[in-house]
This record gives sequence, C-alpha cells and structure tokens, in this order.
Amino acid sequence: GAVVSQHPSRVICKSGTSVKIECRSLDFQATTMFWYRQFPKQSLMLMATSNEGSKATYEQGVEKDKFLINHASLTLSTLTVTSAHPEDSSFYICSASPLTSGGAFDTQYFGPGTRLTVL
Amino acid sequence: AQKITQTQPGMFVQEKEAVTLDCTYDTSDPSYGLFWYKQPSSGEMIFLIYQGSYDQQNATEGRYSLNFQKARKSANLVISASQLGDSAMYFCAMREVTSGTYKYIFGTGTRLKVLA
Repeated sequence: GAVVSQHPSRVICKSGTSVKIECRSLDFQATTMFWYRQFPKQSLMLMATSNEGSKATYEQGVEKDKFLINHASLTLSTLTVTSAHPEDSSFYICSASPLTSGGAFDTQYFGPGTRLTVL
Repeated sequence: AQKITQTQPGMFVQEKEAVTLDCTYDTSDPSYGLFWYKQPSSGEMIFLIYQGSYDQQNATEGRYSLNFQKARKSANLVISASQLGDSAMYFCAMREVTSGTYKYIFGTGTRLKVLA
C-alpha cells in the first residue's frame, strides 16, 4: 500500500515552454501533498505544500507564478513549471500523506521523481 | 540555524557489519516526528523508520533501528548486518507543525557505501 506515482519520470523541453508534472496517490487519499526540488548531490528542498481544494502554500523564495500547483482531488496534484529555463533543470519529487485518524504518525510517501532538463 | 543536522557526508561499512548514521535536530515543539529515508541511485525516496517525540521506546523495523535520545536531540539510524543493497543516500527528516500545518525538513544526507 501507500503508492505514489509521478508522471513523467523524465522530460526534456526547450527553454520558454511549460511542463506539467503529475503526482497521484494510487491506493490512498491525501489531503496534503508536497513538492520538493533536489539538485545533484543535495538534499530535498520543500517548494510548496499542496492542499486539496485550496491554494498551495509556497516556501520562501519559491515563485508561485513560475511553479503553479493545483490539487484538484484527494489523489492528484500537479506542478506546472511555466516558461522553463535551464536553471529550472532539476529533480522534482512529490510526496503525499494519507488521511489519518488524527494520530501522530503522518508519514509521507514519495513518488519516484521527475527529472526535468531544460535546453 | 539548521534544524536537521547530518554531520557525516559519507560512510563506509563492511558487509554484514552494523553502521550508525548520525542525526541531530532542533525544535521547540514538544510534538514532532522523526523519519529516516533511503534514496538509492534511482532517486526514489524510500521510507525506513519513524520515531514520535512521545514514543517511550526506540523504533525498530527489521534491520533498522532508531537510537532516540530526546535530551540530546539525536535520532541516529542503526543498520545491522549491512548488505550491498544498503548502499545509498540516507536522509533524516523531521515533521514539524507551523501555523497549524505540518511540513518536513530534511538533513543534508549521508552517503553510505557497503563494501564486499
């Protein structure tokens, strides 16, 4: 259980185009999904927290107009990188936390990641 | 100040031996969760083990155990009987609640190499 899928796994695009990345929780419902960015040999950097039915909460320094997040349902969140540039090339990972009964064990399960290369 | 500190950028361990990966944290919240994740070269983040701040006993999951020392604010991961497949990047993370929402903060990671 607790499987999170991400699509596409790898994408190459030209500078100036937009890229959409999907994150789905396959066997559980998630009110909260997280989007991370990871540069080579570095840690995960939280970009934003996505809540179903409401606006995403962006971390300081993350441009909300550049990284559009939509959490349309309890199983799907999308990240759109608008007008992508080479500096946006990175590994993007999403995660989802299952709905719980209010216990403390709210772990997050990660998708396999999307490697974006902007030429 | 860093909230999650992993001081070992790289570690080596002989196959079948045990290894400890260090993690210290900083929070003023009495309720928090600590996690360890494994990231192999494929990039996927694999959940290993969880420790709640109110848990009385150290968490264990198979060959993984978490040495939780609350007063010292440390949550070290112990891998027993290392296997070649354990070679990967390991991240310590903390869940904290801010303004009613929770998020996860990751350490910089430790790259573990298991030697045959």
